Amino acid sequence: DQQVKQNSPSLSVQEGRISILNCDYTNSMFDYFLWYKKYPAEGPTFLISISSIKDKNEDGRFTVFLNKSAKHLSLHIVPSQPGDSAVYFCAASATDKLIFGTGTRLQVFP
Amino acid sequence: NAGVTQTPKFRILKIGQSMTLQCTQDMNHNYMYWYRQDPGMGLKLIYYSVGAGITDKGEVPNGYNVSRSTTEDFPLRLELAAPSQTSVYFCASSYGDRGLGNTIYFGEGSWLTVV
Repeated sequence: DQQVKQNSPSLSVQEGRISILNCDYTNSMFDYFLWYKKYPAEGPTFLISISSIKDKNEDGRFTVFLNKSAKHLSLHIVPSQPGDSAVYFCAASATDKLIFGTGTRLQVFP
Repeated sequence: NAGVTQTPKFRILKIGQSMTLQCTQDMNHNYMYWYRQDPGMGLKLIYYSVGAGITDKGEVPNGYNVSRSTTEDFPLRLELAAPSQTSVYFCASSYGDRGLGNTIYFGEGSWLTVV
């Protein structure tokens, strides 16, 4: 039972354009959502988060949108840079545990 | 500022062998976690701890054991290694305070192969 789903395993975007990574969840009790970025041979690193009381959170080039009625969140990266190429995991929590999606591999090409 | 440190980084085990993955954090976090990541899959929670002396099962605890005798350390024990335990293991920690959003900080990972 995959409570957090990232249906796109990969995404390729040209440098300077917008990258949009999507995430769906099934548990309506989730009240906090996070995005993590992972480079090869490294641990995931925290990128941005959003509480369920908000529908948008912005941090520089990164913006996370939350649509609670659709149980959907998305991460927008504008403008995309080659250094953004990594695997992005969304995660959700209702308690003290985080449930992760399967990840989306983003490739930003020149 | 080391953060979360895991050892060893790489290990090859034979079926039936035992080993312990070590994890220590220097951020005075109450909560610690062990995740595994299989190829093409997300991170699955194995065990977690909300403080010294307290541990609890995650999504995939079978074949593993943990202990939490100090705030800093959270070792993961594999008693009888099986090929299905070939994976990348990540230790992580957090304040555990919901007000801080429960941001989890990860170690660099331990690559384990069981042959």
